[in-house]
Amino acid sequence: GENVEQHPSTLSVQEGDSAVIKCTYSDSASNYFPWYKQELGKGPQLIIDIRSNVGEKKDQRIAVTLNKTAKHFSLHITETQPEDSAVYFCAAVKTSYDKVIFGPGTSLSVIP
Amino acid sequence: DAGVIQSPRHEVTEMGQEVTLRCKPISGHNSLFWYRQTMMRGLELLIYFNNNVPIDDSGMPEDRFSAKMPNASFSTLKIQPSEPRDSAVYFCASSPTPGQGSPSSYNEQFFGPGTRLTVL
Repeated sequence: GENVEQHPSTLSVQEGDSAVIKCTYSDSASNYFPWYKQELGKGPQLIIDIRSNVGEKKDQRIAVTLNKTAKHFSLHITETQPEDSAVYFCAAVKTSYDKVIFGPGTSLSVIP
Repeated sequence: DAGVIQSPRHEVTEMGQEVTLRCKPISGHNSLFWYRQTMMRGLELLIYFNNNVPIDDSGMPEDRFSAKMPNASFSTLKIQPSEPRDSAVYFCASSPTPGQGSPSSYNEQFFGPGTRLTVL
């Protein structure tokens, strides 16, 4: 079955710096890659996603890249702010009817 | 929209007791998921339903766990008997049927606030 790995497990950055989280997946049939953000005491929330027919997608300070050949995808957060501090999960899905396979998560701390 | 509703938000019980967690998905969503989150194992999918029918329960740890979805607006996750190792945060999530709504609804799961379970 699909396996999603995520690095680093923890990440600390200074406010204003960039943060990068990297994920790899094992099943080449996966074609949808969402990213979820989980704030303390809350459930995960989708922040951005990318489909396999797209190499990069950007939404304000957040961008995701996908390399299907290498089975890598990454989340980039620029100009980090304290409110970006949270746990981030990458995930991979094969089809609309398949379950979402989550990575283990990255705890991001943005230091003011 | 009230979002996914879970109850209780916190549950403390003693080993051996029965625990029932409840979930009300977002109206109109056809898929419902139960997850368990721990520091050691991260976010684990326990079971998911589509149109009230269990599709994949391979993540259910053992027979002590059971889940039901008697109708489109309600689901329960039951643990009987509970054990200390069941202590975790349990999340319910719902998702619209693929293809409905906006393209961004493709597989997006909307999570509830979770139930923090402590088994003493």
